[in-house]
Amino acid sequence: EVVLTQSPGTLSFSPGEKATLSCRASQSVSSNFLAWYQQKPGQAPRLLIYDASSRAADVPERFSGSGSGTDFTLTISRLEPDDFAVYFCQRYGHSPPYIFGQGTKLEIK
Amino acid sequence: DVQLLESGGGLVQPGGSLRLSCRTSGFTFSSYAMTWVRQIPGKGLEWVSGISSSGSGKYYADSVKGRLTISRDSSTNTVYLQMKRLTVEDSATYYCAKTAGAMVYYYMDVWGKGTTVTVSS
Repeated sequence: EVVLTQSPGTLSFSPGEKATLSCRASQSVSSNFLAWYQQKPGQAPRLLIYDASSRAADVPERFSGSGSGTDFTLTISRLEPDDFAVYFCQRYGHSPPYIFGQGTKLEIK
Repeated sequence: DVQLLESGGGLVQPGGSLRLSCRTSGFTFSSYAMTWVRQIPGKGLEWVSGISSSGSGKYYADSVKGRLTISRDSSTNTVYLQMKRLTVEDSATYYCAKTAGAMVYYYMDVWGKGTTVTVSS
């Protein structure tokens, strides 16, 4: 079973800075079936990125995804106050279970 | 506008049962697979179960296999999660999510707000 590791657990940035979040898989993620979700306190997750680099509808251009194989990255080019949240990566495609990473909390420095 | 509205959560004793519902609107229900994902407060996300658009394919996490049953009703555009023999480890917020395609293996593009299940004596 694939394990997704998101490290570090917490990242601290100031608004306006560029943030890079990591998601590493224990096995290669075929066809780059990797998604990123944002979750704010008290809210449901929201899809940001699918297929490793495709932005979901209504997601601002400052969010971008990249990577392949076992190493994936979510980049937020210029952080806005609304971006401070928890971010999860997830492997999908092929057989379940569809594993999530443990999440990275983005906090204001 | 796609909407998912979960209901049915609550307090239940260990060993008890509960049925969660997810009423949907704003999309062609019969064309998309649906999933349930749960989250213990302050913790990560756990994929629990998924059902294909036709209802013929049903999948479960090992942690719930044999105790939870997913189903869907196209006449009411609703997906269900029947939960039996509940344990304290099942306490979580349960989210209903629409996938991006007919099969369960797609990513989840729309999520409901969740319903909370608390298993306690």
